[in-house]
Amino acid sequence: EPEVTQTPSHQVTQMGQEVILRCVPISNHLYFYWYRQILGQKVEFLVSFYNNEISEKSEIFDDQFSVERPDGSNFTLKIRSTKLEDSAMYFCARGGGSGLGTQYFGPGTRLLVL
Amino acid sequence: AQSVAQPEDQVNVAEGNPLTVKCTYSVSGNPYLFWYVQYPNRGLQFLLKYITGDNLVKGSYGFEAEFNKSQTSFHLKKPSALVSDSALYFCAVRDIRADSSYKLIFGSGTRLLVRP
Repeated sequence: EPEVTQTPSHQVTQMGQEVILRCVPISNHLYFYWYRQILGQKVEFLVSFYNNEISEKSEIFDDQFSVERPDGSNFTLKIRSTKLEDSAMYFCARGGGSGLGTQYFGPGTRLLVL
Repeated sequence: AQSVAQPEDQVNVAEGNPLTVKCTYSVSGNPYLFWYVQYPNRGLQFLLKYITGDNLVKGSYGFEAEFNKSQTSFHLKKPSALVSDSALYFCAVRDIRADSSYKLIFGSGTRLLVRP
């Protein structure tokens, strides 16, 4: 049983289009993270979200990216105008109650930008 | 800067033999270290972690890891490898700087191939 679920599992989009990736936690948590993994490579931190606010973002997380929790449960990552180099696996993770607990990852969304 | 290094891109081992996947870390302060495994086209699964206490940490699927402060290492081990252990393994350290959000910093990954 995954700690979080992610939708869609796969998405193909054209360059310049907007995509929204969704993360749904199984239970209420305060800490959420988005990470990205370009095919077969290192897992990179994108952004963290604590108590419905961005708490930290990486250099990758530029103005094309945004994150929100619109309805208090679903947690979304939006890419406004996709680029070829955005093709990657995107993982959502939920953190432990104190922030120092283990992070559990969702199954990921594979994004392909053509 | 906090970082982890996985010096081997790939580790090959025969089924039934012991396996070791290496990880070294560089942190200021006490490290919070993790191992995750990724099977093909799947997400990251938590294996084990070291926060404090016993240097030998036991985790899922028979894996264990040994924390060595003097060598700044956290190698993943298993006494007897299975073909099903073949996967991509990531070492990670938690960023615990005062202004951080406790994000994970990952190594580059090591592909483990267990041959029958």
